[in-house]
Amino acid sequence: GAVVSQHPSWVICKSGTSVKIECRSLDFQATTMFWYRQFPKQSLMLMATSNEGSKATYEQGVEKDKFLINHASLTLSTLTVTSAHPEDSSFYICSAGEGVEKLFFGSGTQLSVL
Amino acid sequence: DAKTTQPTSMDCAEGRAANLPCNHSTISGNEYVYWYRQIHSQGPQYIIHGLKNNETNEMASLIITEDRKSSTLILPHATLRDTAVYYCIVRLTGFQKLVFGTGTRLLVSP
Repeated sequence: GAVVSQHPSWVICKSGTSVKIECRSLDFQATTMFWYRQFPKQSLMLMATSNEGSKATYEQGVEKDKFLINHASLTLSTLTVTSAHPEDSSFYICSAGEGVEKLFFGSGTQLSVL
Repeated sequence: DAKTTQPTSMDCAEGRAANLPCNHSTISGNEYVYWYRQIHSQGPQYIIHGLKNNETNEMASLIITEDRKSSTLILPHATLRDTAVYYCIVRLTGFQKLVFGTGTRLLVSP
């Protein structure tokens, strides 16, 4: 199946710093990518839809100034957690669709904010 | 998207078939049924999807009832590596967003 690469796999940062997470579709082009977050023992929560060449669409309750999304090309979307705080510590996962039917997921990024 | 209801957890013996049920009584005619699974600390993995007819691939079979209000994912010969959380999701055709419920935690034991 199609491959979605996510980097880094894990990151530890100090409170107040910003962290960038990359999501790449390796063998297909994706005009739309999705960002999720997942807390321990909970399900995935959709944060935002990333659209190539336009602004991202955020789900209700997700701060767009806190979680900056850039989708500059058909194979790359980035999520920047700005001024990270301990409560932002979570597992962040991106996904992209090959065509309209299948959605594939990255391996996730574990963010720990000290 | 229609909501789904799944059992919180299930157990299965290694080598036996695992049958995971899902209720989606409010599904509409153009919504597909998707199954994903998530092994601990990894991203979800696509398993199978279907609209009306039963589907089978190298990983699993999907049985959808005639009224489409429920479905069953079948892992024919479960292995220890099939231990994961399994998510049943219904989604509009052509609209890619996936909304995850709580899923079923399947434990495969020796």
